[in-house]
Amino acid sequence: GAGVSQSPSNKVTEKGKDVELRCDPISGHTALYWYRQRLGQGLEFLIYFQGNSAPDKSGLPSDRFSAERTGESVSTLTIQRTQQEDSAVYLCASSLGWGPPYEQYFGPGTRLTVT
Amino acid sequence: AQKVTQAQTEISVVEKEDVTLDCVYETRDTTYYLFWYKQPPSGELVFLIRRNSFDEQNEISGRYSWNFQKSTSSFNFTITASQVVDSAVYFCALSDPGVNNAGNMLTFGGGTRLMVKP
Repeated sequence: GAGVSQSPSNKVTEKGKDVELRCDPISGHTALYWYRQRLGQGLEFLIYFQGNSAPDKSGLPSDRFSAERTGESVSTLTIQRTQQEDSAVYLCASSLGWGPPYEQYFGPGTRLTVT
Repeated sequence: AQKVTQAQTEISVVEKEDVTLDCVYETRDTTYYLFWYKQPPSGELVFLIRRNSFDEQNEISGRYSWNFQKSTSSFNFTITASQVVDSAVYFCALSDPGVNNAGNMLTFGGGTRLMVKP
């Protein structure tokens, strides 16, 4: 079956521009997560959705970052006025349920380069 | 606070050698879950194992085995008879639902890059 998909796979943008990253979770997965992976580092949690609700936005690095989710499907992570330190791979994951940890299935990521 | 430490940033072995990847975690909760993920050069994270804090039995899956020791807060991963296809970055992660509001949020270690040479 289809896994988590993300688009675009690569994005190069100029400093100061806005970007939108998209995540399509596995159908039926109620939980969705965004992580950031800087070069050579581990994953940093950004935000999660339970359905289309994001109860905790404290993981977002700054107010330039925002995320939305439509129902229990597509999510978009928007970065406004991009900075060079935003360059990273942005990974999305989804899981079937909530509470006791369900396995998170990860997408291939979007590599963002801010020049 | 939750924390996962993978002290080995890079390991290089020759094919058929056994290799152990270390993972040490910190958490205040008594109920938590530990994970290992593999990230091959393609970039996509692949789930390997999940273990809850109440199950300290070691687990073996083919050439992979995991040693969970609560007394030392460690969850080490061993690959027996390594192969070139095992070359990847391996991440250990912790989920601590009782401490934060993010339920299934994973706290990742920095990863260990394993290079298996032919």
